[in-house]
Amino acid sequence: GQQLNQSPQSMFIQEGEDVSMNCTSSSIFNTWLWYKQDPGEGPVLLIALYKAGELTSNGRLTAQFGITRKDSFLNISASIPSDVGIYFCAGGITQGGSEKLVFGKGTKLTVNP
Amino acid sequence: DGGITQSPKYLFRKEGQNVTLSCEQNLNHDAMYWYRQDPGQGLRLIYYSQIVNDFQKGDIAEGYSVSREKKESFPLTVTSAQKNPTAFYLCASSVTSRETQYFGPGTRLLVL
Repeated sequence: GQQLNQSPQSMFIQEGEDVSMNCTSSSIFNTWLWYKQDPGEGPVLLIALYKAGELTSNGRLTAQFGITRKDSFLNISASIPSDVGIYFCAGGITQGGSEKLVFGKGTKLTVNP
Repeated sequence: DGGITQSPKYLFRKEGQNVTLSCEQNLNHDAMYWYRQDPGQGLRLIYYSQIVNDFQKGDIAEGYSVSREKKESFPLTVTSAQKNPTAFYLCASSVTSRETQYFGPGTRLLVL
């Protein structure tokens, strides 16, 4: 089945630094989504990407849908303490008439003030 | 407020007991989903429903059952056949089964 490799697994950074994480796969996806999850809470959608090559920003967050449709990255600029959490990528494929999401294992971000 | 609610926040199950997790949405979404999350892992799909009175097995459906009698509700039953039920369970919904999924706050299930 489809699998996503998300890296890095964890990051420890200083407040104000920029962050970059990515997801790669051997499979092609129709969509790429990036979610953030706080401890004990559900994932919150950050950015959704629908076209190969698409580059989308949401405040300090920027994500891109890889041109090969097999990868995506998320950048966070000028990190702040509330950026702490686990970031998940998800690739969407169409199966049986519906969109199935395949999730990466997450990148745990720690920001030191 | 529009959104997805899950209850309870924490649930304890005894050995051999069935338990039901609630998921309700007032977003008028057609599609609903149940995922399981284990520590250090991504989310894995248990069951999904594209429309009321319809549901399909996901990747890890064994030991679980669902129903979709109402558009706004998609309860998940963890049966005694599920040998390793301790996990964080997440419900999601989307406008249609081809649209972006939004998640509820989750239910943590613990076995006593």
